[in-house]
Amino acid sequence: AQKVTQAQTEISVVEKEDVTLDCVYETRDTTYYLFWYKQPPSGELVFLIRRNSFDEQNEISGRYSWNFQKSTSSFNFTITASQVVDSAVYFCALIEDGNYQLIWGAGTKLIIKP
Amino acid sequence: DAGVTQSPTHLIKTRGQQVTLRCSPKSGHDTVSWYQQALGQGPQFIFQYYEEEERQRGNFPDRFSGHQFPNYSSELNVNALLLGDSALYLCASSFFPGGAYEQYFGPGTRLTVT
Repeated sequence: AQKVTQAQTEISVVEKEDVTLDCVYETRDTTYYLFWYKQPPSGELVFLIRRNSFDEQNEISGRYSWNFQKSTSSFNFTITASQVVDSAVYFCALIEDGNYQLIWGAGTKLIIKP
Repeated sequence: DAGVTQSPTHLIKTRGQQVTLRCSPKSGHDTVSWYQQALGQGPQFIFQYYEEEERQRGNFPDRFSGHQFPNYSSELNVNALLLGDSALYLCASSFFPGGAYEQYFGPGTRLTVT
């Protein structure tokens, strides 16, 4: 069965600090897709990234970077030089190939203090 | 380029009543998925509609039903409302097959059952 675990319920850091959000997943499929979404207080889920299981390259987008490691079934998300606007709940999610149901972690609430 | 839209934004209903929520997908998208998000939790998949048919369903009772129209918009109907149905209902759209695994979300409808 597929499962996504975000062990960090809440993280609080001071602005400009780097912060890493952890995501561990379980799946029996060899082909799957991993996602990160951001949910600000307004409630709308904002797509951040999709990573395919066959592509283990890390990705960097501005202050955001993602570290995908199949050996440890992890897909961690790092924000460099955090800003107050980064405050939100961040969700990691998984879809198996041929399935259309996103399986979600419980989310990590990130608080960036000025 | 219009994103995913949902209506209404907020809704208050009484136990036992019925409710209909509406969703218009992002331009170019033909698939609509519905999720329920209880406070402090990750979203839970309700079902997905493609070509006006329910393609996949999560673990929700038959009180939850849906419909997709020829213009790809969708409705979520919930009958015999329970207090536990209070949640944020999120609609997500995607296009099949090329973007089947990348879902874009609307702002949600917050349903309160009293």
